[in-house]
Amino acid sequence: QQQVKQSPQSLIVQKGGISIINCAYENTAFDYFPWYQQFPGKGPALLIAIRPDVSEKKEGRFTISFNKSAKQFSLHIMDSQPGDSATYFCAARPPYNTDKLIFGTGTRLQVFP
Amino acid sequence: DVKVTQSSRYLVKRTGEKVFLECVQDMDHENMFWYRQDPGLGLRLIYFSYDVKMKEKGDIPEGYSVSREKKERFSLILESASTNQTSMYLCASSPSQYSPLHFGNGTRLTVT
Repeated sequence: QQQVKQSPQSLIVQKGGISIINCAYENTAFDYFPWYQQFPGKGPALLIAIRPDVSEKKEGRFTISFNKSAKQFSLHIMDSQPGDSATYFCAARPPYNTDKLIFGTGTRLQVFP
Repeated sequence: DVKVTQSSRYLVKRTGEKVFLECVQDMDHENMFWYRQDPGLGLRLIYFSYDVKMKEKGDIPEGYSVSREKKERFSLILESASTNQTSMYLCASSPSQYSPLHFGNGTRLTVT
């Protein structure tokens, strides 16, 4: 019940295309869903995050779509660029009052010119 | 800018050695974390700390211990390194609940 399942494991997209990464969770009490971006040789960094009281959040070319009833959320990268090539992790926060995050297994995105 | 510094980028240790991984943050954050990153397994929490001298087990604490004697420093200790502890280790800090985690660039540990 504490898992976050992420797919696909890897994704290849052409420049200008849409990249979509999906995550699913089981515990309906999770209350915070961030996405982290990791470039090679670097630690992950927060990209965008959503709370379960909204269905969508957009920041520039990055959008989180959240489906509470299906217990799924996804990251959409519009107009994907080679500079977006990185590993993306979804995460969820358990419902007890901590800062602990449960991460998905990661998606390696490659955007080709 | 928050800086989380991990003392070593690469480490090679022998089976049975005691290993110390050091992490320092410069933003007076309350919370500090140690994660392990493995291909196909994502980031798994080993230990975390909410305050000096306080620690809590994460999801995979077996074979590890931690020390937080000062607010800015959080150490991960492998009491007797084993080959299955070969991995990338990431330290992170955050000021409070719902705040972003700030990660260091990781220490790649190889145990032979």
